Amino acid sequence: AQSVAQPEDQVNVAEGNPLTVKCTYSVSGNPYLFWYVQYPNRGLQFLLKYITGDNLVKGSYGFEAEFNKSQTSFHLKKPSALVSDSALYFCAVSDNTNAGKSTFGDGTTLTVKP
Amino acid sequence: EPEVTQTPSHQVTQMGQEVILRCVPISNHLYFYWYRQILGQKVEFLVSFYNNEISEKSEIFDDQFSVERPDGSNFTLKIRSTKLEDSAMYFCASSVAGKFYEQYFGPGTRLTVT
Repeated sequence: AQSVAQPEDQVNVAEGNPLTVKCTYSVSGNPYLFWYVQYPNRGLQFLLKYITGDNLVKGSYGFEAEFNKSQTSFHLKKPSALVSDSALYFCAVSDNTNAGKSTFGDGTTLTVKP
Repeated sequence: EPEVTQTPSHQVTQMGQEVILRCVPISNHLYFYWYRQILGQKVEFLVSFYNNEISEKSEIFDDQFSVERPDGSNFTLKIRSTKLEDSAMYFCASSVAGKFYEQYFGPGTRLTVT
């Protein structure tokens, strides 16, 4: 069975500072990892994914994430946070079986203060 | 860029009524999914569907739920007799063959059961 853990319910950073939102995963085969962002009363917006290749993946809005196989982590990062980055962030893992279902973490609320 | 669309964006229904949530997946996608997000909680897998059959379903997807692809474009989720606890955001997703893990999500339908 696959699982995702986002150990922090809430992350607070000051605008202009770097941010990290943590994610660890467990999956039996090769992991396919995703980050999504959700603004209030909105749907899921895809940010970035890791399928294969470089461990550092770059995504939308200046976000990036680093795949670390030994630590089974896929932390989301941004060098300089914006107030508009404040939202709910979900990490997800999927597999390449016929079902292909995605398992989501509980979500982390990011608040960027001016 | 092709998108998954969902209708309606918001559905209000009375307890015990039947509702049908509609999704139009991306046109060349063959795998379809429904997920649910109760307000403030994480996104949960409901069901995956391929070749007019359910591939996998979660324990949430009980007998009151059903899915159908009634024509070449729509993918529907029916809740036969809604309960208060069915109030949630329902997301549809689709993926191409061979890339089950790479799911494209729709904007969601907010279902409110009163």
